[in-house]
Order: sequence, then structure tokens, then C-alpha cells
Amino acid sequence: QVQLQESGPGLVKPAETLSVICTISGGSVSSGTYYWNWIRQAPGKSLEWIGYISYNGNTNYNPSLKSRVATSVYTADNQFSLRLSSVTAADTAVYYCARSGDGGRSFDYWGQGTLVLVSS
Amino acid sequence: DIQMTQFPTSVSASVGDRVTITCRASQRIGSWVAWYQQKPGKAPDLLIYAASTLAGGVPSRFSGSGSGTDFSLTISGLQPEDFATYYCQQAGSLPLTFGQGTKVE
Repeated sequence: QVQLQESGPGLVKPAETLSVICTISGGSVSSGTYYWNWIRQAPGKSLEWIGYISYNGNTNYNPSLKSRVATSVYTADNQFSLRLSSVTAADTAVYYCARSGDGGRSFDYWGQGTLVLVSS
Repeated sequence: DIQMTQFPTSVSASVGDRVTITCRASQRIGSWVAWYQQKPGKAPDLLIYAASTLAGGVPSRFSGSGSGTDFSLTISGLQPEDFATYYCQQAGSLPLTFGQGTKVE
């Protein structure tokens, strides 16, 4: 059974960089079959897809966030990461990592999410 | 970006009821729609992908239909564990986008 687990800072100051790590168990980040995604949900709001990274480092980001987003894969640790720079209060959200197969079209496994609050 | 208009925003229902939730895409997206269930404080769970394919382990009372721009999720015989918020998601083109959610209460 694939499991994903996010770890994040909890609190980030405005203008700083938010970093979240997703650790995979029961599966491999190196699998060529899947894409590894970041999705966020602001309090009381719907879901927003941030982007994905594949095992070989290919990425695709939501244009609304593209200038501030970076993702990486760490095959030795079976992890992938999200960095979001120049954060504001509007970036306060639960950040989820999720796996997608079927060409990256739907998310079949999710982490439990980590709440990141942007506040001074 | 493709907008997904989901309605109703909330529905009041009882155990045993049949509930239908609809999503309309702003452009044609073939059959590239997925549906998720989310309970408070939890991550979403995939129910249906490719508009009508049931995800593994999902009860058969859940069904999906539609193509082009109009899609629906139906729960036939609502169970107590089905009271939750449901989201549609389009995968016809990037960026992937979600509907605003429907709360079944």
C-alpha cells in the first residue's frame, strides 16, 4: 500500500520561502509510471493544483504559481519536495502531495496534508 | 484555464436517498473528469476517474457519467459515511482544475 507523508514548517513569514517534503513508502519515486503532485487547499476553499514532477525531473506547474514554484526529486530518500518563494498570507493552506497515474490525470494516493500558515 | 462549475454547492439528503452532483466544464474535455470525496480534516479520496471508472475499493453505489462538457456523480442509496464534500476535477488540459465542491449534508 502506497503511503505519502508531508512534512512542513507550520509557520512561514511573509516574503520567505515555504518548503515541504513528501516521503513515499510502499512505492518508489523512481517509478516511470507516475507523476508526483502538489495540491493545496486554503481554509474553507476548494483545491488548487500546484504542479507535478516526474521521476526524471520533468515538471509542469500551474501558470498562476509558476514563477514562484520549484520541485525536486530525491531518489535516494524516496522523497520529492516543493519550494514556494515570496509567500504572502494568500499562500496559507493545507499542502498535499499526491500521486497520479493514468498520464497524470487523477490523484489516486494522497498524503494527509500539512498546514502552512504565512504570518509574521 | 478550464473552469469547472459544480452544482449544487450543497444538498440536504437522507440515508437511502439518491444524490446527483453535476459539473460543467468551460471547454470540451472528452471524458477526462475525476471525482473525489473529502471528509473534514482529511485528504480527498479518489472515487471515479475517466468520467465513469470506479477507483479501487469504491462502493458500487457511486457512479459517474458524462462527456464533453457535462458530467455527473450519482450516489445511489446514500449511506451515513457518504456525508462529505465532493469535488470534480478536469484533466482535459493543464493546469488541472477543480470544481468548487458540493457538500452533502
